[in-house]
Amino acid sequence: GAVVSQHPSWVICKSGTSVKIECRSLDFQATTMFWYRQFPKQSLMLMATSNEGSKATYEQGVEKDKFLINHASLTLSTLTVTSAHPEDSSFYICSARPDRDGRALHFGNGTRLTVT
Amino acid sequence: KNQVEQSPQSLIILEGKNCTLQCNYTVSPFSNLRWYKQDTGRGPVSLTIMTFSENTKSNGRYTATLDADTKQSSLHITASQLSDSASYICVVTEFYIPTFGRGTSLIVHP
Repeated sequence: GAVVSQHPSWVICKSGTSVKIECRSLDFQATTMFWYRQFPKQSLMLMATSNEGSKATYEQGVEKDKFLINHASLTLSTLTVTSAHPEDSSFYICSARPDRDGRALHFGNGTRLTVT
Repeated sequence: KNQVEQSPQSLIILEGKNCTLQCNYTVSPFSNLRWYKQDTGRGPVSLTIMTFSENTKSNGRYTATLDADTKQSSLHITASQLSDSASYICVVTEFYIPTFGRGTSLIVHP
C-alpha cells in the first residue's frame, strides 16, 4: 500500500532554534501534500496545502514566515518551524494525495515537537 | 462554511460489544467521505472511502454507511477489541479539499 514517511518522529529543541520536518511519499508521486497540527485530544487542524513547484497555501491564522513549507519534488515536502517557542510544541502530521488517485489521502505517522 | 460534525465526542464500551459512530456534514458539493482510525501519537489510517453513489462499505469489522440525501454517515464496529481504542475521524471532501471532523474517541475496556 501507499506509504508516507515522516521524519523525525520526535524532536526536542531549544527555544529560538529552527526545526525541519520531512514528509516523503515512498511509492507514489504527490503534487499536493498537506500539513496539520494536532493538540492533545483534538482533531487535526489543517495548517497549509503544499503544492510542488509553487508556493504553499496557508490557512487563516497560520504564519507563513514562521512555518516555512518547501515542496521541491513530487515525493518530498518539508515544514520548517522557525524560531520555535514553547507554544509551538505540538504533534505535526503530513498527508499526501497520490497523483494517480485524487480520492486517496495517505498520512505520515506524525512528528512530536517539544520546544524547551 | 463547510462543516463535519461527529458524535459522540467520546465513547466507552466493553470488549466484544458493538458500537456506532456518527458523522453529519454540510460539505457541498460532495466528492467522497472517508473514515480514519488514529491511534494515539500516530498518523490516521484509512478505514473506508465512499463516493456519492455508495451506501455502504465494509472493511473487516468496520462498516461505514452513507446517506447522501440527509448528509449523514455512520461507522459501525462489530465485536470490538481492545485494539479498537483510538480516535475515529470522518473526512468529507469537496472536489479535492478535505474537511475534517473533530473525531470520536473510543475506549474499549476489557
